[in-house]
Amino acid sequence: EDQVTQSPEALRLQEGESSSLNCSYTVSGLRGLFWYRQDPGKGPEFLFTLYSAGEEKEKERLKATLTKKESFLHITAPKPEDSATYLCAVQSGGGYQKVTFGTGTKLQVIP
Amino acid sequence: DAGVIQSPRHEVTEMGQEVTLRCKPISGHDYLFWYRQTMMRGLELLIYFNNNVPIDDSGMPEDRFSAKMPNASFSTLKIQPSEPRDSAVYFCASSKTRTGELFFGEGSRLTVL
Repeated sequence: EDQVTQSPEALRLQEGESSSLNCSYTVSGLRGLFWYRQDPGKGPEFLFTLYSAGEEKEKERLKATLTKKESFLHITAPKPEDSATYLCAVQSGGGYQKVTFGTGTKLQVIP
Repeated sequence: DAGVIQSPRHEVTEMGQEVTLRCKPISGHDYLFWYRQTMMRGLELLIYFNNNVPIDDSGMPEDRFSAKMPNASFSTLKIQPSEPRDSAVYFCASSKTRTGELFFGEGSRLTVL
């Protein structure tokens, strides 16, 4: 069974204070690893897909990286509008489309 | 282009009542997913469909839960009878074939008293 563990559960940063969120995964045949952002009262919003170890993706102040066992979401010089819950998810190999989510990291950026 | 549309946004009901949640996926998407989100367990996959056919319903908690997709533009998740432990936010999501990029609706917040 696919498993996704995210840490920390919550993170509080000062505006401009860079940090990283961690996503550890166990999956039989990784098809893809995904990062989502979820704002309060909203559905998750897709950010990135990573397919293989060593791959990196960037979007504004966010950069996602992938190794064989974990992924990191680096946040550089965050702003208050980056406050949200960040979810990691994996899609396993095989013929079916099943995406398993972690429980998320709730990020708060203080002005 | 309209996103995934869910209704109702909020539902408050009493234990034992039937609850029906509705979802309209994005046009052209082949996959439809129902997830449940709670503070304790996060996002849990309940069931997903491919081309209107249920593929994996192993996440459905028990026989009180059922889901249907009568056509490509509509799906329902039904709980009968409802129980307080069913209180959660239920999300519908859709995607194109084989990609893990899911498009979520805004969710239906269910409270069972």
